[in-house]
This record gives sequence, C-alpha cells and structure tokens, in this order.
Amino acid sequence: EIVLTQSPDILSLSPGERATLSCRASQSVSSSSLAWYQRKPGQAPRLLIYGASSRATGIPDRFTGSGSGTDFTLTISRLEPEDFAVYYCQQFDSSPTWTFGRGTKVEIK
Amino acid sequence: EVQLVESGGDLVQPGGSLRLSCAASGFTFSMYSMSWVRQAPGKGLEWVSIISSDGGVTFYADSVKGRFTISRDNSKDTLYLQMNSLRAEDTAAYYCAKGAPLRSGRTREFDYWGQGTLVTVSS
Repeated sequence: EIVLTQSPDILSLSPGERATLSCRASQSVSSSSLAWYQRKPGQAPRLLIYGASSRATGIPDRFTGSGSGTDFTLTISRLEPEDFAVYYCQQFDSSPTWTFGRGTKVEIK
Repeated sequence: EVQLVESGGDLVQPGGSLRLSCAASGFTFSMYSMSWVRQAPGKGLEWVSIISSDGGVTFYADSVKGRFTISRDNSKDTLYLQMNSLRAEDTAAYYCAKGAPLRSGRTREFDYWGQGTLVTVSS
C-alpha cells in the first residue's frame, strides 16, 4: 500500500505570503493519479488539482501543483483569507486503491 | 450545481447495521462512478468503497471488505452504503464523493463531495 506523507503538519503564514505544501509517497506514483483537495471547517472537500498539475474547474491560478515520482508540491502563490484551510493529497493506484495523506493545515499567523 | 446529500448516520451498537444514503443532483448520476470516503475523529481521510456508473463493478478497502456493501439506484439518483458487523473503529464521518470523469478508463480522483453523515459505533 502506498503511504502519502504530508509536511508540514501545520503551516502558519500571513495573507499575501506564499505557501508550499509537500506530499511524499512511499513509492513512485503516476503523475496522472495525484490530486490535491482543500477542506474548510463544516464544508465538503473541494478538488483543487488533478493529474499532479491540472487545476480543477473554477480553481484560481494562484494554486499550482507540481512534482513527479515520489515528491509532489502544492503551491499557493499569495494566500487569500479564504485559503486558510486543510489541504490533502491523494493518489490512485491500480489495485484499485485511493489513498489520502494526513493533511496540512494552513493557518493564519 | 452538483449536490450530494448524505443521510442515515446514527449511533449504533457494535455488531449492528446501518444503511447510508447519498442523494445526488445537478449532474447525470448514471454516467459517473461514486464512492464513499470516511474520516474518523482525529484521523485522515480513508477511501471506503467505489461503484461503477452502471453498478456492475465495486471495490472495497480491506478494512471493510465482507462487511460493507455499496450499491446505487440510477433511477433515483441515489448511492447507498450498507454497513454490517459494525465496529468501534468504523466510527467516522462518511462522505459521498462523485468520481471525476474517467481518464484512461479510470476514476483517479473525486470532483464533488457531500457534507458527510456521522456514524458512531458504541455501546
């Protein structure tokens, strides 16, 4: 089973700053099968990025996904107040299994 | 607008059963795979089960295999999860999620999620 490790657990930043979130896989993941989600309290998770770097419908271009193999990154170029949330990475493998990381909380500093 | 509304969560005793439902609207339900994902208190998201668009193919996480059954009624735009032999470790918020459009024939991620329904297994 592929394990996804997200870091850091908590990222304390101010609005306008750049956020860099990491997702590391225990073995190589197909780039086409790596996604990122945003989760705000009391709301349903929202798909941000699929295929490691493609933005989902309606996602602003300040969200950028990158990476390959075992190391993937979600970058938020300039944090807006609405971006403070928990972010999860997820991978799909052909078992089939869908696996999520434990999440990174982006909080206001 | 895509909407997924889960229901059926409750407090149930260990060994008991529960059926969750997810009412879908805002998209052609019969065209997409659907899944259940759960989150236990203080834990991360865990994929539980998935069903193909026509209901003919299902997969389960090892943790629920043989105890949970996923199904769908495309005439009612509704997804179900029958949960039997419930254990304390099944306590979680259960989310219904729509499979994203197939890429290379696979559902690789989930593009819409419901708000969740809470299942508590305790005596």
